[in-house]
Amino acid sequence: TQLLEQSPQFLSIQEGENLTVYCNSSSVFSSLQWYRQEPGEGPVLLVTVVTGGEVKKLKRLTFQFGDARKDSSLHITAAQPGDTGLYLCAGGRGSGNTGKLIFGQGTTLQVKP
Amino acid sequence: GAGVSQSPSNKVTEKGKDVELRCDPISGHTALYWYRQSLGQGLEFLIYFQGNSAPDKSGLPSDRFSAERTGGSVSTLTIQRTQQEDSAVYLCASAGGPWDTDTQYFGPGTRLTVL
Repeated sequence: TQLLEQSPQFLSIQEGENLTVYCNSSSVFSSLQWYRQEPGEGPVLLVTVVTGGEVKKLKRLTFQFGDARKDSSLHITAAQPGDTGLYLCAGGRGSGNTGKLIFGQGTTLQVKP
Repeated sequence: GAGVSQSPSNKVTEKGKDVELRCDPISGHTALYWYRQSLGQGLEFLIYFQGNSAPDKSGLPSDRFSAERTGGSVSTLTIQRTQQEDSAVYLCASAGGPWDTDTQYFGPGTRLTVL
């Protein structure tokens, strides 16, 4: 059972375009994290959202946590080739580092120059 | 400081052999996690250690998989009688530093190929 569904699974766009990646679940999470992973490396944390309705911005990236804390989105404005990578959402049930993360299956983003 | 390190970076083994994968977490981190990742996919939780508490083994796929963490630091994931479906990248993460308790820091992973 996939608790976190990410869509789309693959996205290929031109430099300068905008995109949104979705992460949906029927379960409530205490926190939602977004990671970016490059080939041959481990995932690197981009952001953690913990409050329903929370919006966080990281330069051209905007992260939103749904009001019911069951879904999240990542929006990238004016994508650049350096944004290419695997984007993963992960839900946490405990507080802090008190438990495992449930990962979505990932979205592979390719930004072509 | 040094990040999470894993060894070996690549391991090729024959079906039926045992393998050991090592993880050196960030010094002082209290929590250590093992995940498995199939090509281009998300991460599957395997096992979690927190301090001196009993580990959460709920993600281990079979009794061929086991892990230990010695002295609250280095961890070893052991897979006995490997099968082809065990082929994946095995990732280790640590968390629980004094100034950033919530973030899991991942190592580069060990790519396991079972022939």
